[in-house]
Amino acid sequence: NAGVMQNPRHLVRRRGQEARLRCSPMKGHSHVYWYRQLPEEGLKFMVYLQKENIIDESGMPKERFSAEFPKEGPSILRIQQVVRGDSAAYFCASSPPNFAAGELFFGEGSRLTVL
Amino acid sequence: AQTVTQSQPEMSVQEAETVTLSCTYDTSESDYYLFWYKQPPSRQMILVIRQEAYKQQNATENRFSVNFQKAAKSFSLKISDSQLGDAAMYFCAYRSDTGNQFYFGTGTSLTVIP
Repeated sequence: NAGVMQNPRHLVRRRGQEARLRCSPMKGHSHVYWYRQLPEEGLKFMVYLQKENIIDESGMPKERFSAEFPKEGPSILRIQQVVRGDSAAYFCASSPPNFAAGELFFGEGSRLTVL
Repeated sequence: AQTVTQSQPEMSVQEAETVTLSCTYDTSESDYYLFWYKQPPSRQMILVIRQEAYKQQNATENRFSVNFQKAAKSFSLKISDSQLGDAAMYFCAYRSDTGNQFYFGTGTSLTVIP
């Protein structure tokens, strides 16, 4: 059973370009979370999605950031017109629908560098 | 929103010794889950140990154990017989029993000295 898969692992963008980060949850998991980790800081919640629904996006910046989790395919975190402050590690996590175990399963993260 | 506080940005321990990482949280809920996650230099977060708030018994996983003090809202992690592979960033996390939101502390960087 493959774990949470994120790609790309490393992404370099120039200011003003778009960044797309992908996350495939573990098999059988229908909940996806995105977190951002800035250097020397903890994890900051961004958005929580289920298939075709955004459940909680209270941590998403109001502009330039969007997320989706379509019926088919991976979850996508999209950052438009990137700025240097967007440079960070972005982690995706997934959990099963029944949530009995209560834990999150994390991917290895995508490191975005904005030049 | 619930907050999770880790007041020790950095800790160090001699190999084979014991170290305790502290975590406090703020909540008005009675049922919830608490977690310790480990983030080694490879950066993938790994679950270390989990505690359900309704259980009075402290969770234990091999060399890892917790001291859960519900009234004090404290959830410390004890690592016994520390090994070099324990060196990592450790995050404390809270999850409500009714919601799906996880709240993380800012982490404690643990160094193991040979």
